[in-house]
Amino acid sequence: DAGITQSPRHKVTETGTPVTLRCHQTENHRYMYWYRQDPGHGLRLIHYSYGVKDTDKGEVSDGYSVSRSKTEDFLLTLESATSSQTSVYFCAISEQVAGPNYGYTFGSGTRLTVV
Amino acid sequence: GEDVEQSLFLSVREGDSSVINCTYTDSSSTYLYWYKQEPGAGLQLLTYIFSNMDMKQDQRLTVLLNKKDKHLSLRIADTQTGDSAIYFCAESRNSGNTPLVFGKGTRLSVIA
Repeated sequence: DAGITQSPRHKVTETGTPVTLRCHQTENHRYMYWYRQDPGHGLRLIHYSYGVKDTDKGEVSDGYSVSRSKTEDFLLTLESATSSQTSVYFCAISEQVAGPNYGYTFGSGTRLTVV
Repeated sequence: GEDVEQSLFLSVREGDSSVINCTYTDSSSTYLYWYKQEPGAGLQLLTYIFSNMDMKQDQRLTVLLNKKDKHLSLRIADTQTGDSAIYFCAESRNSGNTPLVFGKGTRLSVIA
C-alpha cells in the first residue's frame, strides 16, 4: 500500500544467521508494529513502537529485537534465525493505538524462510 | 493471552449471504474491527464498530455486536467471487490502550 513499504519482500536465510527486516512509512504515523502470520495462529504481535526509541514487547517477542531511530523506519532483527521463525512478517502503522477511524495500515509482507 | 476465536473456513455460493463469526475476550474492548486479506497482500480495514453500538451497516456489510456474549459477526450480502479472502476480527483490549489483538482469520471461499 502507498505510504508503507517492507523490504525485502522475500528472503531465504540459514539457521543461526542474523536477519534484519525493514519497514518504512511516509505517513508520519506515531505507531508502528511488527506482526507475524502463521497458519493456524493468525496474526501475532512481535513488537511495537509508540515513538522514536520507544518500543514495547508483544505476545511473541522472544528471539526478536527492534529499533526505531527515525519516525519513518522500524527495523525488526532476528539475532540468530531459527526454523521456527519461518513466517510471513507484516509491518503496520497507525495514528493511534486504537480508536475510531484509526485502523492499521499494513505493508505487503516479507516472506522469510529459515533453512 | 486469551485467543480471539474465529472459525477457520467458510464456503458459500455466489449471490448468497456470508456470515463470519468471532468471539472476543475483553469486555472492556472499546472498538472491534474487521479486516480483509487478499492472497499475497497485507490486511485492509473493512469496517469497525464501537462497543456502544449493536449494529453497523455499510453497503453490503453488516456488523452485529452482542456485548453480553462478546460475540461479533460480519454479514456480507450478495457475496461475490471478489469477496474470497481471509477475514480477521480484531479487538482493542485494555480500553484501547494496547495494540489490536487479531483472531486466526476465517478463509471465505465463494463458489460460482
